[in-house]
Amino acid sequence: DVKVTQSSRYLVKRTGEKVFLECVQDMDHENMFWYRQDPGLGLRLIYFSYDVKMKEKGDIPEGYSVSREKKERFSLILESASTNQTSMYLCASSNPGGQSYGYTFGSGTRLTVV
Amino acid sequence: RKEVEQDPGPFNVPEGATVAFNCTYSNSASQSFFWYRQDCRKEPKLLMSVYSSGNEDGRFTAQLNRASQYISLLIRDSKLSDSATYLCVVNRGGSYIPTFGRGTSLIVHP
Repeated sequence: DVKVTQSSRYLVKRTGEKVFLECVQDMDHENMFWYRQDPGLGLRLIYFSYDVKMKEKGDIPEGYSVSREKKERFSLILESASTNQTSMYLCASSNPGGQSYGYTFGSGTRLTVV
Repeated sequence: RKEVEQDPGPFNVPEGATVAFNCTYSNSASQSFFWYRQDCRKEPKLLMSVYSSGNEDGRFTAQLNRASQYISLLIRDSKLSDSATYLCVVNRGGSYIPTFGRGTSLIVHP
């Protein structure tokens, strides 16, 4: 089974801190995604990557950046955390050659910015 | 029109009931469709892909109607453990980028 691992389940950070959320997948997937999920808003795409060192903005990239130095790891960076970035963050990966297999998610990081 | 729309519910049904959810999508070029299940405070998990000819997995049946641009999920003989939020997922046009619906909440009661 594909496994997607997010480094932290819960995080509490202060306003203005730089925050790193890490995601690692172990099935050699090319595509990786970062979403945030908020009540009533569903999952919203922040950034995605289809290859090492490649990144594309999603629907809500403001206030975030990403890094993909290795195929298995996709990091989300909050440059200066703000309270409106309190959310559940979900990482996912997929194989472009097998879209019928869907997307596999990590267990999520619940971030609280105080 | 939103890219992917679902009735948020909740759908409140007794055990053993049959329940159906629909999901409409706006991009006629979309090629990949899925249903995901999400339990409270957990990550979404793939329930089933949706194929053009329709497909079944046990008590679950998924169908695609390209002409009307919707997919459906039918759950027969509902169990208490089916209580969850069901997310419709559609790829954007011909890309691999998924768009998620906001989910339909199902509550199965004794």
